[in-house]
Amino acid sequence: QKEVEQDPGPLSVPEGAIVSLNCTYSNSAFQYFMWYRQYSRKGPELLMYTYSSGNKEDGRFTAQVDKSSKYISLFIRDSQPSDSATYLCAMSFPSGGYNKLIFGAGTRLAVHP
Amino acid sequence: SQTIHQWPATLVQPVGSPLSLECTVEGTSNPNLYWYRQAAGRGLQLLFYSVGIGQISSEVPQNLSASRPQDRQFILSSKKLLLSDSGFYLCAWNRGSYEQYFGPGTRLTVT
Repeated sequence: QKEVEQDPGPLSVPEGAIVSLNCTYSNSAFQYFMWYRQYSRKGPELLMYTYSSGNKEDGRFTAQVDKSSKYISLFIRDSQPSDSATYLCAMSFPSGGYNKLIFGAGTRLAVHP
Repeated sequence: SQTIHQWPATLVQPVGSPLSLECTVEGTSNPNLYWYRQAAGRGLQLLFYSVGIGQISSEVPQNLSASRPQDRQFILSSKKLLLSDSGFYLCAWNRGSYEQYFGPGTRLTVT
């Protein structure tokens, strides 16, 4: 079993839709949760990060963490064609003197006009 | 503000040839530096990390090596490339934080 599971998609939605992206994890040591957006042939860009269970909102994006269920989500409201990208969840825990990041495989999102 | 650079952006190399990829960070000091590889349709695999000059830790046995000759410079090398070394190589940094910040990446094709 992988430490972090993420549905690879692809997910195709119309412009204006609400998008829900999800990851599950098995390691209770994970303390910090992140979402990255990666456009084709580019490096990942940090979108949001959070530590505690609950919701964190930034503009059209909401990150949700449920530590009891080992489940995290990213919601995108009023999705735009410019949101078309691969979204990677990442989780961090202390390991060997640094904070190790474990990534999901990424979900490809396509928002069509 | 901090900026991370990688070069070259793309590289096509024959099997058995050497490799040198470079990463530099501007606008910070004493960063932690990381090399990742991303295969098509897969997540990021950590290859090496460094917490200081000359301090390199390897996560996965590879045909690759890393060096950190200066505080903000991280180099990924190979003496002889294999076909399986093809991929998208990403450098990242952080300093006192959980989140990491990535460079633009180098796309390597070994032929």
